[in-house]
Amino acid sequence: DAGVTQSPTHLIKTRGQQVTLRCSPKSGHDTVSWYQQALGQGPQFIFQYYEEEERQRGNFPDRFSGHQFPNYSSELNVNALLLGDSALYLCASSTWAGLAVTNEQFFGPGTRLTVL
Amino acid sequence: TQLLEQSPQFLSIQEGENLTVYCNSSSVFSSLQWYRQEPGEGPVLLVTVVTGGEVKKLKRLTFQFGDARKDSSLHITAAQPGDTGLYLCAVYYLLQGGSEKLVFGKGTKLTVNP
Repeated sequence: DAGVTQSPTHLIKTRGQQVTLRCSPKSGHDTVSWYQQALGQGPQFIFQYYEEEERQRGNFPDRFSGHQFPNYSSELNVNALLLGDSALYLCASSTWAGLAVTNEQFFGPGTRLTVL
Repeated sequence: TQLLEQSPQFLSIQEGENLTVYCNSSSVFSSLQWYRQEPGEGPVLLVTVVTGGEVKKLKRLTFQFGDARKDSSLHITAAQPGDTGLYLCAVYYLLQGGSEKLVFGKGTKLTVNP
């Protein structure tokens, strides 16, 4: 049973560029959440997707956008990259239980983004 | 202001020693989770505590939820090098509109030396 997978593992970009990160959820899961983990910090919630729609969002600017596909996989897009966007980007999958309830989330290994 | 304060930030000990790490807040929570994150990996859920005063054991790891449900501790007995990692506490925080998001502390980075 495949767990959550993310690609690429590492990525280096320069300021102003755009980046797309990808996530495949654990088999049987239909909900994908994205987190940003800066060095020395805990993960911070970016947004969550279910049924191809953004269901909830954390305190991140509109430069951060996402998409979910019919097969439940998801992409995170970041435009106009800043140095401060350098971080580990984690994807977590779960089964949908409504907005006010969250089933256990399973995290992928993350994509390490470096912005120069 | 951090919703969850974890201490210590860093801890380096020798194999066989005991240790306790803490997760504190001024807010009351219906539940609290502990995760371990190893280098190059995502966080893995260790336990969820729900009831004030609850104690849960996972092999050599003992988790306690404070009576007032504002804080929690993780105690490791006879630490081993395999316990090395970042220990994160997390809670579900209610957003406007009735949805919730998972909020993490900054974590305690534990190194167990052989």
